[in-house]
Amino acid sequence: ETGVTQSPTHLIKTRGQQVTLRCSSQSGHNTVSWYQQALGQGPQFIFQYYREEENGRGNFPPRFSGLQFPNYSSELNVNALELDDSALYLCASSPSALADPTQYFGPGTRLLVL
Amino acid sequence: GQQLNQSPQSMFIQEGEDVSMNCTSSSIFNTWLWYKQDPGEGPVLLIALYKAGELTSNGRLTAQFGITRKDSFLNISASIPSDVGIYFCAGLKTGGYQKVTFGTGTKLQVIP
Repeated sequence: ETGVTQSPTHLIKTRGQQVTLRCSSQSGHNTVSWYQQALGQGPQFIFQYYREEENGRGNFPPRFSGLQFPNYSSELNVNALELDDSALYLCASSPSALADPTQYFGPGTRLLVL
Repeated sequence: GQQLNQSPQSMFIQEGEDVSMNCTSSSIFNTWLWYKQDPGEGPVLLIALYKAGELTSNGRLTAQFGITRKDSFLNISASIPSDVGIYFCAGLKTGGYQKVTFGTGTKLQVIP
């Protein structure tokens, strides 16, 4: 069984640019959540996708957006990057938003904004 | 954003010692999860707790879901060097969508 994978592993961008991060969920999982983890802190919930629809959002501005595809893989897009967006971005998948809520994390994408 | 309160923030222990850490919240959660994160990697799920009062073990790890549903603890027995890492508790509220709220983390260092 393949776990959650994310790409790229590392990324450097400059302020004002846009970035797209990708996530492949674990086989059989239809729910994907995205988290931002700043250095020395716990992950903060950005949003969740269930069957291609956003069904929950944390306290992040609209320039953070996402997509989920029919195969349940997902993208996180961040526009107008700011220095504070530098963080580890984590994707987590779970078997179902309604049944088993347990979330399994990918290795993350480390984003540095200069 | 909201984070759960975890204690201690960090700890140094001798190999072979037992470790205890806990997590408290002002909110009720339906599920408590404990994760371990190594540097530069994503959190790895250790234990999931689904019912108030539940006590669950996974090898040398034991965790409990507090009866008030506002707290949880994790014990590690007979620590070994590979237990080094950051341990996060996480509370999950279901219904509509699953928003996981993470704790502030406990950094564990094991002295051989």
